[in-house]
Amino acid sequence: EVQLLESGGGLVQPGGSLRLSCAASGFTFSSYAMSWVRQAPGKGLEWVSGISGSGGSTYYADSVKGRFTISRDNSKNTLYLQMSSLRAEDTAVYYCAKPVGVVHAFDIWGQGTMVTVSS
Amino acid sequence: SYVLTQPPSVSVAPGKTARITCGGNNIGSKSVHWYQQKPGQAPVLVIYDDSDRPSGIPERLSGSNSGNTATLTISRVEAGDEADYYCQVWDSSSDHYVFGTGTKVTVL
Repeated sequence: EVQLLESGGGLVQPGGSLRLSCAASGFTFSSYAMSWVRQAPGKGLEWVSGISGSGGSTYYADSVKGRFTISRDNSKNTLYLQMSSLRAEDTAVYYCAKPVGVVHAFDIWGQGTMVTVSS
Repeated sequence: SYVLTQPPSVSVAPGKTARITCGGNNIGSKSVHWYQQKPGQAPVLVIYDDSDRPSGIPERLSGSNSGNTATLTISRVEAGDEADYYCQVWDSSSDHYVFGTGTKVTVL
């Protein structure tokens, strides 16, 4: 079964840091670009960051560029999101998502991990 | 940056047809994907590449895309279709994924 399992969320103070992980199983992880998508409470979906299958190319939304870093360890089938200089507006459920092959749509999502930025 | 605009809400009676629009500049030149999200759950892909359905998605859900508007159509609406729906495209000019603003479908 294809599965994504996020972890690492929690409560952090403004200006703090947090690292999210997403453990993948059931597919050839290194063959797929992966993304992080977030959803603030009561709000819509926002794409945050993406990374190529090899890890050689990374992409960021303007709202997190310079503060967040996406990476992956293909030997561990794990995707990461290092978040720093966190702000209240970063409070959201963070999902990792797998695309449908070469189609830029996400067919597999994790259950999400909640990040709360508050003092 | 590319913007996708959806109506905040659509209401429909059971058995009728719901149409959810997604507006974007020349969106007809892009591939549009649609997601259904129920409260407390992760999104589920229901339409990809404008009109294709992943396995397990009923034929009652269909999609179209032309000009400046893409549309998700839900025929013979059921209570279980009540959810938030999001359109999404890949903006090749910025290498960014873009989601629509979302539409809450209420079954009367």
